[in-house]
Amino acid sequence: EPEVTQTPSHQVTQMGQEVILRCVPISNHLYFYWYRQILGQKVEFLVSFYNNEISEKSEIFDDQFSVERPDGSNFTLKIRSTKLEDSAMYFCASTLRSGGEQYFGPGTRLTVT
Amino acid sequence: AQSVTQPDIHITVSEGASLELRCNYSYGATPYLFWYVQSPGQGLQLLLKYFSGDTLVQGIKGFEAEFKRSQSSFNLRKPSVHWSDAAEYFCAVGPYNTNAGKSTFGDGTTLTVKP
Repeated sequence: EPEVTQTPSHQVTQMGQEVILRCVPISNHLYFYWYRQILGQKVEFLVSFYNNEISEKSEIFDDQFSVERPDGSNFTLKIRSTKLEDSAMYFCASTLRSGGEQYFGPGTRLTVT
Repeated sequence: AQSVTQPDIHITVSEGASLELRCNYSYGATPYLFWYVQSPGQGLQLLLKYFSGDTLVQGIKGFEAEFKRSQSSFNLRKPSVHWSDAAEYFCAVGPYNTNAGKSTFGDGTTLTVKP
């Protein structure tokens, strides 16, 4: 069964550094998402992406964040200058159609020191 | 705006006992409803989903959930809990037919299973 994959599984970085989290969505899916889960808290929507542009973003997704689909398979989340409060689990998701079931990746745990 | 409320932050049940986790949602149109389970440090595993049709849906690991439109609820149930069911459970709502189609999650319910 096809699945969403994410790399790395765990990323440790120093405050102020740039990080790129990578995701490979399911190959025929068209809508892509990033979610964040701070330890012990709920999963929060960050951004959705369709047709090579952002469809919607939350207030969390400020100018420090950006997303890109650099080729036909990868979907990336970049944080330009990480802060301590960016430490969280980041989940990528994809879906074939708008409003359809979202398939989540296993997550990348980002630790900012 | 869509929202999800899980009234119970923490539930403790004895192994073999029945379980019901509550979920209430707010959404102005036809919702797409999900229950996920998450073990510590792990990702989200989909237990079951409801989109349309039979309001009682069966999922993996012996879980089921019932959609009640009149109560805006989608409660998760299991007749006999196993120790391995101890985890965090999240209810989520997603729109059926709008652009973006993001999911909104509840705060989660932590399930502890007593031997």
